[in-house]
Amino acid sequence: DVKVTQSSRYLVKRTGEKVFLECVQDMDHENMFWYRQDPGLGLRLIYFSYDVKMKEKGDIPEGYSVSREKKERFSLILESASTNQTSMYLCASSLYRTGFGNTIYFGEGSWLTVV
Amino acid sequence: QQPVQSPQAVILREGEDAVINCSSSKALYSVHWYRQKHGEAPVFLMILLKGGEQKGHDKISASFNEKKQQSSLYLTASQLSYSGTYFCGTEVIQGAQKLVFGQGTRLTINP
Repeated sequence: DVKVTQSSRYLVKRTGEKVFLECVQDMDHENMFWYRQDPGLGLRLIYFSYDVKMKEKGDIPEGYSVSREKKERFSLILESASTNQTSMYLCASSLYRTGFGNTIYFGEGSWLTVV
Repeated sequence: QQPVQSPQAVILREGEDAVINCSSSKALYSVHWYRQKHGEAPVFLMILLKGGEQKGHDKISASFNEKKQQSSLYLTASQLSYSGTYFCGTEVIQGAQKLVFGQGTRLTINP
């Protein structure tokens, strides 16, 4: 079974803090993604990466950055957390490009509260 | 660019049928369906590729109409375990390497 592991399930951070959300997948997948989930808005793509050190902006990249130094690990960084970044963050991975019969596998999510 | 799902929420009794729709303003290459239970990761249900196919397993099936740029998920004789939030994810360009998800449809099945 594919496993996507997010290091923290629940975090509480203060406004202005730098926040790191870590994600590791164990199936040698090429692609990794960070989504944000908010009620009524569904899953919105923040950033994705199709290779080590490569990254592409998603639909809502403002206020976020990412790092992919190793194939299995994809980090989401909030340089200066703000209250409007309080949300559930989902990491995901897929073997190759989507649309070729590839499934996206999700982690269990990280609930971030910024106070 | 997000696909629009309808309805936003539906409540059924066990054994009833449900249809969840997903519409896009753009031409679609593929549609993916996921179900998420509260506090858990979204779980893959099925992929439909360009070609207008209909897929299914057990009592959950889906169709994909390219011309109308929409997909529908059919749940027949619903079971309590079907409860959760259903998301469609759309790919507008082949090989785009990303999915754009709808806002979700919350399905509640009561005994």
